[in-house]
Amino acid sequence: AQSVTQLGSHVSVSEGALVLLRCNYSSSVPPYLFWYVQYPNQGLQLLLKYTTGATLVKGINGFEAEFKKSETSFHLTKPSAHMSDAAEYFCAVSDSGGYNKLIFGAGTRLAVHP
Amino acid sequence: GAGVSQTPSNKVTEKGKYVELRCDPISGHTALYWYRQSLGQGPEFLIYFQGTGAADDSGLPNDRFFAVRPEGSVSTLKIQRTERGDSAVYLCASSLNGGGAATEAFFGQGTRLTVV
Repeated sequence: AQSVTQLGSHVSVSEGALVLLRCNYSSSVPPYLFWYVQYPNQGLQLLLKYTTGATLVKGINGFEAEFKKSETSFHLTKPSAHMSDAAEYFCAVSDSGGYNKLIFGAGTRLAVHP
Repeated sequence: GAGVSQTPSNKVTEKGKYVELRCDPISGHTALYWYRQSLGQGPEFLIYFQGTGAADDSGLPNDRFFAVRPEGSVSTLKIQRTERGDSAVYLCASSLNGGGAATEAFFGQGTRLTVV
């Protein structure tokens, strides 16, 4: 069975500081990995995804994530936080099968302070 | 174009009542998913439709939950004899096709269900 663990339910950074949100997964098959962002009163929005190929994936809003098979990790980073990055972030895994059945982590709420 | 639309945005119901939650997917999207997000947790998969048929309903928690998509577009999630534990945000997503998980799923804003 697949699972996702997000380390840290709350992360707080200063504006301009590095953002690092941690995600570890468990999967018995080659995984597809995703990061979604949820702003208040909005739906989930895809930030980036890893399917195959290059293990460093770039997404929207300056975010990127690196798939590390040996560490079963897919941590999300951004070099410089903006106030507008404050939101809840979800890591998700899917098997590479025929449809988009996502297993989500519990989420990490990112706060950005001046 | 329009995104995934869910109605109502909020629903308060009494314990034991029946509720229906509606999802209008993006036009042309054949794949439709329902998820449930309880407070402080990530979304949990409930059911997947490809066209009119439920291809995977393994996430439905019990037989009080049922979903339909009779014409392959709009879907309704139905909950009978609601319980307080059913309180959550119910999310709907759609994608162009089953297409592997590489196909992006677009999420609606959800219906917040509160059972009192």
